[in-house]
Amino acid sequence: AQKITQTQPGMFVQEKEAVTLDCTYDTSDQSYGLFWYKQPSSGEMIFLIYQGSYDEQNATEGRYSLNFQKARKSANLVISASQLGDSAMYFCAIRDNFNKFYFGSGTKLNVKP
Amino acid sequence: GAGVSQSPSNKVTEKGKDVELRCDPISGHTALYWYRQSLGQGLEFLIYFQGNSAPDKSGLPSDRFSAERTGGSVSTLTIQRTQQEDSAVYLCASSLGGGWRVNPAKNIQYFGAGTRLSVL
Repeated sequence: AQKITQTQPGMFVQEKEAVTLDCTYDTSDQSYGLFWYKQPSSGEMIFLIYQGSYDEQNATEGRYSLNFQKARKSANLVISASQLGDSAMYFCAIRDNFNKFYFGSGTKLNVKP
Repeated sequence: GAGVSQSPSNKVTEKGKDVELRCDPISGHTALYWYRQSLGQGLEFLIYFQGNSAPDKSGLPSDRFSAERTGGSVSTLTIQRTQQEDSAVYLCASSLGGGWRVNPAKNIQYFGAGTRLSVL
């Protein structure tokens, strides 16, 4: 069975600073995908970034980057130059070989001005 | 459509009534997912469709829950004899589907705004 663990229920970061949100996973699949989603207070789920298990380079999308350490089974999200609009819940998810997704419990990020 | 559309956005019902939630995925997306999110919690997988078939129904909480998808497009999630513990936000997502290694981007899920169900 797949499992996603996000150990930080809540985090604070100063505006313009970088922040790392932790995500570890447990899977026996050789091929899988890792995703990060943002959920603002409005409730919509917004796709941020993904990493394939066979990708050798860390994924980057604008201010978002994924620190993928396969041997440690971690896929941490790094947000550079935090903005007030980054305040939201952040969910890490894993896709298994059968197209099923498993989500973590989320991290609530608060960006302070 | 431009995005995933869910209706209704809010539904208040009495315990014991049946409810039907609708999801209209992005045009051309073959994969469709239903999730449930209780207040302050993560997403709980319910069911996944590839085309009109559901390879994985393991997440449905009980036999009161059922879902169907017709024409490879619209899906409905039906909850019979609703209970108070069914109160949650029900989220639908769609993706292009397809083999992960061929094109990982095909598995990016795009979510609707959800249906907030309140069972009194």
